Amino acid sequence: DAGVTQSPTHLIKTRGQQVTLRCSPKSGHDTVSWYQQALGQGPQFIFQYYEEEERQRGNFPDRFSGHQFPNYSSELNVNALLLGDSALYLCASSLAADTQYFGPGTRLTVL
Amino acid sequence: QKEVEQDPGPLSVPEGAIVSLNCTYSNSAFQYFMWYRQYSRKGPELLMYTYSSGNKEDGRFTAQVDKSSKYISLFIRDSQPSDSATYLCAMSGYNAGNNRKLIWGLGTSLAVNP
Repeated sequence: DAGVTQSPTHLIKTRGQQVTLRCSPKSGHDTVSWYQQALGQGPQFIFQYYEEEERQRGNFPDRFSGHQFPNYSSELNVNALLLGDSALYLCASSLAADTQYFGPGTRLTVL
Repeated sequence: QKEVEQDPGPLSVPEGAIVSLNCTYSNSAFQYFMWYRQYSRKGPELLMYTYSSGNKEDGRFTAQVDKSSKYISLFIRDSQPSDSATYLCAMSGYNAGNNRKLIWGLGTSLAVNP
């Protein structure tokens, strides 16, 4: 079992650009959640996808959007990047509302 | 007041010490309590998962939940240098929409010195 995988591992963008991050859930899991973790902080919930729909959303602007595919994999898109978007972006998968398992994260740096 | 409070530390202990990590919370609807371990530049790894009050032991780790005091703890016995990491508490309960969302503490940084 490969567990939760994320790509890319690292990414460097400039202000105003757009970025897409990808996540493949653990085998058998149908729910994907995305988190932003700034240095020295706990993860901040962005949104959760289930059955290809956004089920819950945290306090993030519309610049943050996502998608879930029929195979349960997911993408996180961020438009009009700001310096403050620099963080570790974590994907977690679960079976419905059960315990979440995290991927290694994508470290995004915005210059 | 934040829903979950966790002392960020840092906490530094000698190898072999007993470590106590704690979180307090304000939402009495929380029913599921988790401890995650996060090594530098890695994703969080689930350590312990408990439902409602009581103790749960797994090897050198013991998770304790006191719902009456809204207080949870993680104890690490015979701590090892490999335990050096950030420990995050997380908890959840069902909201009005029957959805569950994890609420996280900030994490406590632990260093175990050889």
